Amino acid sequence: EAGVAQSPRYKIIEKRQSVAFWCNPISGHATLYWYQQILGQGPKLLIQFQNNGVVDDSQLPKDRFSAERLKGVDSTLKIQPAKLEDSAVYLCASSATLKNTEAFFGQGTRLTVV
Amino acid sequence: AQTVTQSQPEMSVQEAETVTLSCTYDTSESNYYLFWYKQPPSRQMILVIRQEAYKQQNATENRFSVNFQKAAKSFSLKISDSQLGDTAMYFCALPHGGTSYGKLTFGQGTILTVHP
Repeated sequence: EAGVAQSPRYKIIEKRQSVAFWCNPISGHATLYWYQQILGQGPKLLIQFQNNGVVDDSQLPKDRFSAERLKGVDSTLKIQPAKLEDSAVYLCASSATLKNTEAFFGQGTRLTVV
Repeated sequence: AQTVTQSQPEMSVQEAETVTLSCTYDTSESNYYLFWYKQPPSRQMILVIRQEAYKQQNATENRFSVNFQKAAKSFSLKISDSQLGDTAMYFCALPHGGTSYGKLTFGQGTILTVHP
């Protein structure tokens, strides 16, 4: 079974530029999560989707971050414009259902904003 | 709000020895799960072990076991017969609402280095 796929693996941009990350969850997984992991810290949830609807985006900085999950499968996370403090690893995870099923993580995208 | 605290930023152990990583948490849920995740340099989070709060018996998965003290809200991970491949960052995690396994509050992490 294929795991959670993310691309790109690495991205370097200048501040004020825009960037997008892509995630393809495990086939059939209804729930998708985006996490931000700043170096040396634990991941922090940014947004949670159930199919193509947003369940929780309370921690998403909506002035610069946006995310969508068209057709309830792939998802993209965008930052526009990027700030230096956005430098982090962005992890995508998916689970079969909202509750009581294990979440599987991708390998993340490491973003460096210079 | 729920919290997870790991007070050991770094730990090291010799190969084949035993090491224990500490975690404390706080939640208002009466029924919940607790997880330990491993994050190797590849960055992919891997679930190591889970504990159901209503079970008194501590969970065990091969060389990994936990010491779950519900009253003290403590959840430590013991790695026996440490191997070089255990070198990674380890996170303690608590699901929101007790059972939303993917919606997690993570601790700050402990970097574990296994020396040959």
